[in-house]
Amino acid sequence: DGGITQSPKYLFRKEGQNVTLSCEQNLNHDAMYWYRQDPGQGLRLIYYSQIVNDFQKGDIAEGYSVSREKKESFPLTVTSAQKNPTAFYLCASSTYSNTGELFFGEGSRLTVL
Amino acid sequence: GESVGLHLPTLSVQEGDNSIINCAYSNSASDYFIWYKQESGKGPQFIIDIRSNMDKRQGQRVTVLLNKTVKHLSLQIAATQPGDSAVYFCAETYGQNFVFGPGTRLSVLP
Repeated sequence: DGGITQSPKYLFRKEGQNVTLSCEQNLNHDAMYWYRQDPGQGLRLIYYSQIVNDFQKGDIAEGYSVSREKKESFPLTVTSAQKNPTAFYLCASSTYSNTGELFFGEGSRLTVL
Repeated sequence: GESVGLHLPTLSVQEGDNSIINCAYSNSASDYFIWYKQESGKGPQFIIDIRSNMDKRQGQRVTVLLNKTVKHLSLQIAATQPGDSAVYFCAETYGQNFVFGPGTRLSVLP
């Protein structure tokens, strides 16, 4: 079935460590996104990519990095520079058109110990 | 489960009743709106969408109403079922920009 796969679902990190969250889609979508979700808040955009080898910062990019070497993959690295990384991270994708709908993965829960 | 949805507005409805969830959006230039459903520990699922040239759109048991004058969006769920319990949030889009509301928790009472 077509969809977006995020892994791992749960991840624990010690302070000072970098961690990478995986996001793979087989929907042939051009655009991919990373959002952060915190209790009581709307989704906040970290990074997005509209084509391979190109990506742009979102509203809260500090302390995060991404790459887009393949159309299907958009991994997110949470670096030690991110001061409050404990959150639920959601990857999404869409066609590069005005259709607009975002398809989401099942999320990755990162906890800093 | 996830702690997503803590401190959110909560709507409690009796099973079988209709539910109405409201959302205020911010940008009068937004031209496309989406409602998502998010169950605990899961990613958001698309429910229904509407474009700015429409006032109403119906799906299976769900209806979305758009009032552009007051920048208000609502989701109506008919004959609410236990499986409808979740956090619901709206998204407004303009171009490739998506802005999400914080959501409303729907609790279905037996």
